[in-house]
Amino acid sequence: GENVEQHPSTLSVQEGDSAVIKCTYSDSASNYFPWYKQELGKRPQLIIDIRSNVGEKKDQRIAVTLNKTAKHFSLHITETQPEDSAVYFCAASKTGANNLFFGTGTRLTVIP
Amino acid sequence: DAGVIQSPRHEVTEMGQEVTLRCKPISGHNSLFWYRQTMMRGLELLIYFNNNVPIDDSGMPEDRFSAKMPNASFSTLKIQPSEPRDSAVYFCASSFTAVIQETQYFGPGTRLLVL
Repeated sequence: GENVEQHPSTLSVQEGDSAVIKCTYSDSASNYFPWYKQELGKRPQLIIDIRSNVGEKKDQRIAVTLNKTAKHFSLHITETQPEDSAVYFCAASKTGANNLFFGTGTRLTVIP
Repeated sequence: DAGVIQSPRHEVTEMGQEVTLRCKPISGHNSLFWYRQTMMRGLELLIYFNNNVPIDDSGMPEDRFSAKMPNASFSTLKIQPSEPRDSAVYFCASSFTAVIQETQYFGPGTRLLVL
């Protein structure tokens, strides 16, 4: 089955700096890669997703890149703000399979 | 749309008691997922349903756990008997899955504490 690894497990950045979180996956058939943000005591919420037919997707300060050959994808947050502090999860899935395989999460702390 | 609805939001019970968690997926969604989240084990998929049929229950920890989806708008996760190690946040999520994978939307979760 699919195995998703996520690094780093914790990340601290100064407000205004960029943050990068990286994930690798093992199943070359995976073609859908969402990212979730989970604030303390809240539910995971989708912030951005990418499908395998594109290499990059951007939404304001958030971007995701995908390298299918290397089987890795990354989340980039620019101009970080304190409200970006949360746990971020990457996930992978493939057509025909309903379930998502989640990474272990990255706790991002943005220091004001 | 109200989103995924879960009840109760918090549950405190004593070891050995039966616990029933409830979920109402987003209307029109055909896939439903039950997850458990703990600090030690992270986010674990317990079971998921597609069109009300259980597809994969390999994540269900043991026979004390059971899940049902009697119709498209309701699912339950039952723990009987409960144990302290079952203490966790249980999330229900739903999605619409046809030809391509669509995003899962999570409910607010049920925070379970077994004493």
